[in-house]
Amino acid sequence: DAMVIQNPRYQVTQFGKPVTLSCSQTLNHNVMYWYQQKSSQAPKLLFHYYDKDFNNEADTPDNFQSRRPNTSFCFLDIRSPGLGDAAMYLCATSRVTVLSTEAFFGQGTRLTVV
Amino acid sequence: SQQGEEDPQALSIQEGENATMNCSYKTSINNLQWYRQNSGRGLVHLILIRSNEREKHSGRLRVTLDTSKKSSSLLITASRAADTASYFCATEVWGKLQFGAGTQVVVTP
Repeated sequence: DAMVIQNPRYQVTQFGKPVTLSCSQTLNHNVMYWYQQKSSQAPKLLFHYYDKDFNNEADTPDNFQSRRPNTSFCFLDIRSPGLGDAAMYLCATSRVTVLSTEAFFGQGTRLTVV
Repeated sequence: SQQGEEDPQALSIQEGENATMNCSYKTSINNLQWYRQNSGRGLVHLILIRSNEREKHSGRLRVTLDTSKKSSSLLITASRAADTASYFCATEVWGKLQFGAGTQVVVTP
């Protein structure tokens, strides 16, 4: 059974039209992550939530925002997508304590900007 | 910015050979993790090694961690064609999980 679910798997949006990607988890993990991955590159951390605390990477564009209304759900909002935002977006979760677990990844949402 | 750097960037070997890849990082960590990603697919966790551990094994995988040198290595023994993938190290620092650039491994039959 899928434990980290991302919807949709594929998203096509128009240049400048706001888009929201969603992620849900059934693991009750306290940390949720959003990564951007472009072709043949490493996943780049955009944000992470440690419980309710939001952590934004310094080089994450202002165009990107995130919401975590409860433990199970997390959203990535791209306010005005540009062609350069076309990528795979990966959501992940982990239980971070003194003895942290590994991260569990969703299948990703591939975003195309036209 | 990335926490980890990996080498080599690419590795091509034949089935049955061993594959070794290295990861270096910049700051103190809670743990270091290795992931595999097949082309166009999601990331699969392979192994996690904590900062107070020096070596860990899982099946054909062997991971070492040297916190004094801020480096780790992943060894895949007796490689198979199915091991063809990109391999990433990731460092966790109090919930922040960042990935290295990755090593692309091709195993030919």
